[in-house]
Amino acid sequence: AQKVTQAQTEISVVEKEDVTLDCVYETRDTTYYLFWYKQPPSGELVFLIRRNSFDEQNEISGRYSWNFQKSTSSFNFTITASQVVDSAVYFCALSEVNTGFQKLVFGTGTRLLVSP
Amino acid sequence: SAVISQKPSRDICQRGTSLTIQCQVDSQVTMMFWYRQQPGQSLTLIATANQGSEATYESGFVIDKFPISRPNLTFSTLTVSNMSPEDSSIYLCRAISGNTDTQYFGPGTRLTVL
Repeated sequence: AQKVTQAQTEISVVEKEDVTLDCVYETRDTTYYLFWYKQPPSGELVFLIRRNSFDEQNEISGRYSWNFQKSTSSFNFTITASQVVDSAVYFCALSEVNTGFQKLVFGTGTRLLVSP
Repeated sequence: SAVISQKPSRDICQRGTSLTIQCQVDSQVTMMFWYRQQPGQSLTLIATANQGSEATYESGFVIDKFPISRPNLTFSTLTVSNMSPEDSSIYLCRAISGNTDTQYFGPGTRLTVL
């Protein structure tokens, strides 16, 4: 069964600090996708990244970076030099090949509060 | 990329009434889904909206409570029936474009039931 765990319920940082959001997943499939979404207070889901299970290269996009480690079933997300606009709930999600990558299972989310 | 819109964006409803939420995609998509996000919670899949046939519901969700339609490849509706305060949630539509395997979420409908 697929499962996504985000153990950090809420994180508070001061602007310009670096912060890492943890994501641990469980799956029996060898082929799957991992995602990160941002949900600002307005409620819409903003897609951040999709990574397939065969690509363990770390990715960097501006202040955002992702560390994918299959050995520990983790897909962690780091924000460098955080800003107030980064305040949001961040969700990690998983979809498996056995559902045709159709079903998206979400973690419980991590609320990030960045104060000035 | 596709654009997904939902109507209404928010609503406040009385207990016992029903609300139909619309999801419109500006291009044909292969799959459409409906999710619920209760206050402070994660997203839970309600059902897969199948074009031209009955939706496929997840455990804990039933057609009588959440009837879904998908008359064509770009449009779907979710009805929340006989509402109670526990139905207060954000309801989100999600679509997958088969050609590109790209996924999109609608902006959500924020429902409050009094």
